Amino acid sequence: QKEVEQNSGPLSVPEGAIASLNCTYSDRVSQSFFWYRQYSGKSPELIMSIYSNGDKEDGRFTAQLNKASQYVSLLIRDSQPSDSATYLCAALGGGYNKLIFGAGTRLAVHP
Amino acid sequence: GAGVSQSPSNKVTEKGKDVELRCDPISGHTALYWYRQSLGQGLEFLIYFQGNSAPDKSGLPSDRFSAERTGGSVSTLTIQRTQQEDSAVYLCASSSGGGSWGNTIYFGEGSWLTVV
Repeated sequence: QKEVEQNSGPLSVPEGAIASLNCTYSDRVSQSFFWYRQYSGKSPELIMSIYSNGDKEDGRFTAQLNKASQYVSLLIRDSQPSDSATYLCAALGGGYNKLIFGAGTRLAVHP
Repeated sequence: GAGVSQSPSNKVTEKGKDVELRCDPISGHTALYWYRQSLGQGLEFLIYFQGNSAPDKSGLPSDRFSAERTGGSVSTLTIQRTQQEDSAVYLCASSSGGGSWGNTIYFGEGSWLTVV
């Protein structure tokens, strides 16, 4: 079992819709979770971090964490074509030394 | 510097040659990470430095791979006797702490390695 799992997609949504990206993790010790966005040929950039159960909102982005279910999600409201990218979920594990990344979900927002 | 700087940005090398990839982290960042990303794949952890020591090098794929960090700053990832499967983008990242809560990890633009 991979430590961080994501559906590879592609997830296709129309412009203006809500995109929902999901992630599960296996290490119950993990306490910190991150969503990175990666455009093709570019390095990952941090979008959201979340440490506590519940929702955390930042602009059009909402991260959700459920530690009991070992589940993290990212909602993107009013999706734009510029949101089209691969979204990487990451969990801080291994004695808090390293981020463990999922394989990423490719999101395509079509006009 | 303003961000994590990596060099070279692109490297094409012949199979069997050695390569060195350099990372200059954000000034003052004590933690430094190397990741590898093959085409269409996720990020694979290679090694983590805290200062000049490497408490976690569990991700280095073989003894052909080594890394060092000097002066608590610049790090070099060395791949000896390169193989075609080493072709990937090598990403360096740094943070102000040991990756603990609230210490954001920032990535460089990567070094794209192609072994022919």
